[in-house]
Amino acid sequence: DGGITQSPKYLFRKEGQNVTLSCEQNLNHDAMYWYRQDPGQGLRLIYYSQIVNDFQKGDIAEGYSVSREKKESFPLTVTSAQKNPTAFYLCASSGVNTGELFFGEGSRLTVL
Amino acid sequence: GENVEQHPSTLSVQEGDSAVIKCTYSDSASNYFPWYKQELGKRPQLIIDIRSNVGEKKDQRIAVTLNKTAKHFSLHITETQPEDSAVYFCAAHGEGGADGLTFGKGTHLIIQP
Repeated sequence: DGGITQSPKYLFRKEGQNVTLSCEQNLNHDAMYWYRQDPGQGLRLIYYSQIVNDFQKGDIAEGYSVSREKKESFPLTVTSAQKNPTAFYLCASSGVNTGELFFGEGSRLTVL
Repeated sequence: GENVEQHPSTLSVQEGDSAVIKCTYSDSASNYFPWYKQELGKRPQLIIDIRSNVGEKKDQRIAVTLNKTAKHFSLHITETQPEDSAVYFCAAHGEGGADGLTFGKGTHLIIQP
């Protein structure tokens, strides 16, 4: 069954801790993306990657880091430098130049 | 870069009536305009899209119109039903836009019984 899998679905973290959100896809898509969603803010781009071992900052990259060691995987680390990390995080992928995004089910991060 | 504005932020309509959500974009090179529906706590899902070589596209009760000259596009839902209640996002994708889609801030559509 093709798709994008995010884990964990819910995550709680104490202030000062780094956390890593997993994103795996088996759609053979080259491009992968991380978005952050806050109420009333829409979807804001954190990082994106068009090819293995290469990635670019999006509009709100500060306090986040990513890696793209495999085509299927694009994990996101929320570092302690992110001042307001509580949010819903969505991973997505697309074929090159098709435009259409396929989303994972999301990960809800809460900082206690 | 691209900027997408979406209105209204909240829209309440009576069941059976029509709903219209409007978006404008800034980059005249954008050529792909999808609409996503997101139910509470779930992932956004594509419901309809349009490319810049087409002015209108329809799929059952849903239609999208595009005016490239004015740089705006709209989602039309007719004969609204309770299951249409959700947040709807418009987006735009520029030609060669490696950074994917730029999204509007969303419209919370409420269908009143």
